[in-house]
Amino acid sequence: SQQGEEDPQALSIQEGENATMNCSYKTSINNLQWYRQNSGRGLVHLILIRSNEREKHSGRLRVTLDTSKKSSSLLITASRAADTASYFCARKQTGANNLFFGTGTRLTVIP
Amino acid sequence: GAGVSQTPSNKVTEKGKYVELRCDPISGHTALYWYRQSLGQGPEFLIYFQGTGAADDSGLPNDRFFAVRPEGSVSTLKIQRTERGDSAVYLCASSLSAWNEQFFGPGTRLTVL
Repeated sequence: SQQGEEDPQALSIQEGENATMNCSYKTSINNLQWYRQNSGRGLVHLILIRSNEREKHSGRLRVTLDTSKKSSSLLITASRAADTASYFCARKQTGANNLFFGTGTRLTVIP
Repeated sequence: GAGVSQTPSNKVTEKGKYVELRCDPISGHTALYWYRQSLGQGPEFLIYFQGTGAADDSGLPNDRFFAVRPEGSVSTLKIQRTERGDSAVYLCASSLSAWNEQFFGPGTRLTVL
C-alpha cells in the first residue's frame, strides 16, 4: 500500500512564480526521490535525498528533508510552462527494496 | 547513453488472453523493478530483481502475474488470463543497486477489453 501524502493535490501558478510541493510519510526511510511525470507515462528522476541529508539543489530545484517531521518539500523556482506535470515523491523505506509513491501533485504553470 | 526501454508501448487485448511485456534496463544496472500505475494514482510496486533472481515479488497481486529475468538484463512481465482490472500502465525501472536512483522506462499501456 502507499503510505504518505503529497500536498497540495493540485497547484496552479503563473509563469515565473515559485512552486512548492510537500510530501509527508509515516515510516523511516533510507532516501526519498522526487519524480516528474508528463501525460501519465514515464517518470523522470529529479533528485534523490538521503536520510542524513537536509537539503539538495539541482538547477531550479531545491529539495529539503526533515526526518523528525517525516516530511520533504520540492521547490521549483522561476517556473516555466514546461514545468507543467505531475510531481511525485517516492520513499525508499528502511528494509524495503522498492519505492513507495503517493498520488502526486498536479502542477499547472500558466504562461 | 540509452535509457530504460519498454515494448510494446501500447497493448490491447481481450479478457482471458495472455500478454507479455518487455523491459530493457540500462546497461550495467543490476536492480530491476516493475510497477503498475492506474489513472490518477502513483505507481505501485510489483516485483524487484537483483540480477537474475526475483528478490521481492510481494507486490504481485495474484498468481496470474509472473516475471522473469533469465540473464540478468532484459525482463518480461507475464500476465495470464487477463482481466479488465489489469488495465493500467506498467512501468519498468532499473538502478545500479537498490540504494541508488531508479530510472523509469516510458511504460506499456495495457488495455483489457
